[in-house]
Amino acid sequence: SQQGEEDPQALSIQEGENATMNCSYKTSINNLQWYRQNSGRGLVHLILIRSNEREKHSGRLRVTLDTSKKSSSLLITASRAADTASYFCATEQGGKLIFGQGTELSVKP
Amino acid sequence: EAGVAQSPRYKIIEKRQSVAFWCNPISGHATLYWYQQILGQGPKLLIQFQNNGVVDDSQLPKDRFSAERLKGVDSTLKIQPAKLEDSAVYLCASTPSGGAPDTQYFGPGTRLTVL
Repeated sequence: SQQGEEDPQALSIQEGENATMNCSYKTSINNLQWYRQNSGRGLVHLILIRSNEREKHSGRLRVTLDTSKKSSSLLITASRAADTASYFCATEQGGKLIFGQGTELSVKP
Repeated sequence: EAGVAQSPRYKIIEKRQSVAFWCNPISGHATLYWYQQILGQGPKLLIQFQNNGVVDDSQLPKDRFSAERLKGVDSTLKIQPAKLEDSAVYLCASTPSGGAPDTQYFGPGTRLTVL
């Protein structure tokens, strides 16, 4: 079963703009992770935020976590064409990751 | 450091045929995962190994899917017989320890098409 629901399903922006993707989940979590998947490739880990953290940064990425609302957001600032990919949130429960459906991001040059 | 290796990258078979996928995790990684990713969806865990033992295979369709990791290193996933709905990308991932999966390292996947 899918734990995370992501919104929007697809997002198209111009290079230089910011992209925000949201993830909601249903049950208590230990941590929440974001992964990127380029077309036809495996997933690449981007960032992990633990349940006792509210915000985390990594380069152009900013992740927030609101455990009271059971939601997280991923912000990519100053987007580039190379950011075009699918982005997945994954929640860790009972020692395994449960992935959402993903947001397909398209960054136009 | 070499990444997770998978082969083949692509496979096309007829329904009711058998198919096997191979995965070699990052050296020293104790935990290995197989995921199924249907087009337009996120990966779904099929089976998790800790060394050569199965930790979780609750979502593995055991009537047709099997997996092994005999020496605790590389692993094979088999489908026998395949159905049309098995068309998907099969991803292998590994992590260093047997604890909570902080970061999973994924291979490139095997894209299976069942005709």
